[in-house]
Amino acid sequence: VQLQESAPRLVKPSETLSLTCSVSGGSIDGYYWNVIRQPANGGLEWVGHVYSNGRTKSNPSLNSRVTMSVDMSRNQFSLKLTSVTAADTGVYYCARACCRDGGFDSWGQGTMVSVSS
Amino acid sequence: QSALTQPPSVSGSPGQSVTISCTGTRSDVGSYDRVSWYQQPPGTAPKLIIYEVSLRPSGVPARFSGSKSGDTASLTISWLQAEDETDYYCSSYTGSGTYVFGTGTKVTVL
Repeated sequence: VQLQESAPRLVKPSETLSLTCSVSGGSIDGYYWNVIRQPANGGLEWVGHVYSNGRTKSNPSLNSRVTMSVDMSRNQFSLKLTSVTAADTGVYYCARACCRDGGFDSWGQGTMVSVSS
Repeated sequence: QSALTQPPSVSGSPGQSVTISCTGTRSDVGSYDRVSWYQQPPGTAPKLIIYEVSLRPSGVPARFSGSKSGDTASLTISWLQAEDETDYYCSSYTGSGTYVFGTGTKVTVL
């Protein structure tokens, strides 16, 4: 399975970051689809996941700002992160997990998103 | 949720073994056998090398092994090779139904 991220490279502070992950080479059904981000200074942070039936879970530190959804007809899932600040700058990865508590076995190449005016 | 604690760096000579620790709490590592390890060369996406504490995905060399004791998980790289020099991260499922990653460790092959 291949994952491909797409998002604007630059987002203004206080606006909404929109990320779309396209899945090819496999079905989106039956898996958990995750967004993981990496700031420029390193480290990885789990943002949230959406199951193929639309159920979601997100990082408590971002909870109220995160909305995730899945589009089975397009084999895509997406993230909306509202009220962004410079702290949201980083590389955003889409990743698949077999199950609610499983490892992330397939990753996209990542897309760099900068928050700046 | 706080990041899992990893040593910033470990090093070893070719052919030696190195072990990376990953310390969490009773709310994550200590309660779930859902610890994964990832290898991330510079400029690339992380790659899963260990899942469920000690299982290897197809294609990952047997030189990579994982274990857990209490709140601490470990990744051991045996027969260290030059190509193993890169960053490694652990991750754990948590009692909140979320995931937490480790702080990351750079492995240097001397």
